[in-house]
Amino acid sequence: RKEVEQDPGPFNVPEGATVAFNCTYSNSASQSFFWYRQDCRKEPKLLMSVYSSGNEDGRFTAQLNRASQYISLLIRDSKLSDSATYLCAANLQNNFNKFYFGSGTKLNVKP
Amino acid sequence: DGGITQSPKYLFRKEGQNVTLSCEQNLNHDAMYWYRQDPGQGLRLIYYSQIVNDFQKGDIAEGYSVSREKKESFPLTVTSAQKNPTAFYLCASSNPGLSSYEQYFGPGTRLTVT
Repeated sequence: RKEVEQDPGPFNVPEGATVAFNCTYSNSASQSFFWYRQDCRKEPKLLMSVYSSGNEDGRFTAQLNRASQYISLLIRDSKLSDSATYLCAANLQNNFNKFYFGSGTKLNVKP
Repeated sequence: DGGITQSPKYLFRKEGQNVTLSCEQNLNHDAMYWYRQDPGQGLRLIYYSQIVNDFQKGDIAEGYSVSREKKESFPLTVTSAQKNPTAFYLCASSNPGLSSYEQYFGPGTRLTVT
């Protein structure tokens, strides 16, 4: 079983829609979580960090559910520029700071 | 500007040749990482280093080697023993000692071996 799992998508949504992705993790000892955005053939860029129950930054909200071991990313008022692959990562916050990445969820925002 | 640089952006090699990928950071981060990404897949950890002169194998270290002689630099050598070296290679760094666990990535090197 993979440490972090994501629905690969693609999620095809119209501009202005609200879309949510889930990411499940298997290790209950995971302490912190991260969402990255990756454009085609580019490096992942950090979108949001989640150290407690959730985080919000403008149109983006991340929520952590420790009981069910998943983290979600909600994007409101989708823009064409939000089209990308979104990677979820979990880590144990130990000395190694090893990240476990999901395979990513692809989002296509259509006009 | 602080950041992570990787060079070259694209690299082409013949099978059987070793190749070294460069990674430099000026973020003053202690920890550095090498990942490999294949199409449609997530990032897989090759090697990581927490401090200078120390590094550990990740999940797929076979056929790779690294060094960490300076805090700023963490080069990765892809040897001829690596069975499927063609991939997108990403270097990252972080500073977990400051309770900031985020990893930041360089622009990557796309290696093609024929």
